[in-house]
Amino acid sequence: SQKIEQNSEALNIQEGKTATLTCNYTNYSPAYLQWYRQDPGRGPVFLLLIRENEKEKRKERLKVTFDTTLKQSLFHITASQPADSATYLCALVPNSGYALNFGKGTSLLVTP
Amino acid sequence: NAGVTQTPKFQVLKTGQSMTLQCAQDMNHEYMSWYRQDPGMGLRLIHYSVGAGITDQGEVPNGYNVSRSTTEDFPLRLLSAAPSQTSVYFCASSYSERPNYGYTFGSGTRLTVV
Repeated sequence: SQKIEQNSEALNIQEGKTATLTCNYTNYSPAYLQWYRQDPGRGPVFLLLIRENEKEKRKERLKVTFDTTLKQSLFHITASQPADSATYLCALVPNSGYALNFGKGTSLLVTP
Repeated sequence: NAGVTQTPKFQVLKTGQSMTLQCAQDMNHEYMSWYRQDPGMGLRLIHYSVGAGITDQGEVPNGYNVSRSTTEDFPLRLLSAAPSQTSVYFCASSYSERPNYGYTFGSGTRLTVV
């Protein structure tokens, strides 16, 4: 069956460190992969998109990598801040369709 | 620019009642979709539309109807509410089904069916 798996356990890191979140997928051939941020009681907010033929994308303190051999995307937040505390969602669109499929998300807590 | 507007924000229904969740966008987006979010389940696609007059089912369509008579609006109808439909519902839109950037989500409707 198709799966998009993210760390179910919350990630706790200290302010200033780099946070790394993992997204693994099985039985998908993704056209592209997206990362979203979701705060409690709010809708997801788009952060970054990376296509199947791209290895890495950057936006300010954010970096996404995409390894189609490992079937994995890594999401990095450098110089993390308490304001980065949120749930981060991985989502992908398969080559065979265009429905955006989501993982369950990983909660990140950045402490001062 | 309002983005994606969902109404109501909160709703309590009795089992068997019907209601419509409203979703409107002012970005002239062709693609619109409805998700539900449940604890431990993540976001699951209910229905989507690639343009006015065109709709299709997602992963969990049972118990829900949609229609798309205009580009701006994509209402979600619950015909006979059940406790299993207690959830948070999000509407999302994009300029196409394969955009170069992500979807824009509304702030959600929290629905409780008793």
